[in-house]
Amino acid sequence: EAGVAQSPRYKIIEKRQSVAFWCNPISGHATLYWYQQILGQGPKLLIQFQNNGVVDDSQLPKDRFSAERLKGVDSTLKIQPAKLEDSAVYLCASSLGGGERYEQYFGPGTRLTVT
Amino acid sequence: LAKTTQPISMDSYEGQEVNITCSHNNIATNDYITWYQQFPSQGPRFIIQGYKTKVTNEVASLFIPADRKSSTLSLPRVSLSDTAVYYCLVGVGNQGGKLIFGQGTELSVKP
Repeated sequence: EAGVAQSPRYKIIEKRQSVAFWCNPISGHATLYWYQQILGQGPKLLIQFQNNGVVDDSQLPKDRFSAERLKGVDSTLKIQPAKLEDSAVYLCASSLGGGERYEQYFGPGTRLTVT
Repeated sequence: LAKTTQPISMDSYEGQEVNITCSHNNIATNDYITWYQQFPSQGPRFIIQGYKTKVTNEVASLFIPADRKSSTLSLPRVSLSDTAVYYCLVGVGNQGGKLIFGQGTELSVKP
């Protein structure tokens, strides 16, 4: 079974530039999550989708971050404009359902460096 | 919102049993306890989940006392490859299952 795919794996940009990350979840998984993990900390949930609808985006900095999940499959996360504090690993995860009982499968992440 | 507290780091040697305890004093009646493992440069990976008493799978055991205010992840006979960060999570079951990751416990297994 193929896992969660993410691209790119690494990205270096200058502050005020824009960047986009892509995620392809496991086939059949209705729920998709984007997390931000700053070095030395645990992942922080940015946004959760159930199919193509947003379930939770309470911690998404909406003035600069946006995410979409067209057709309820692939998803993109965009940052515009980037700030130095956005340097982190961005993890995508998917699960069969949206409750805590469902195991989340994580992708390898995209490491973003903002200079 | 249930908050979890676990040791920041632990050291062990190959072949030993490792027990990582997590406290979650404000756990709600419908919350489950879940543990994830994360290796460097990888995303977290599910290890085990439980509600009460004891749960065991091929990787670990999870012990939960009757009051459910704490839980202990037990890793039998650890090897060098078990060196990772271990996260204890208590899901917010009535809020769409949002999981909140704390700082985790960095386990270092030495030869």
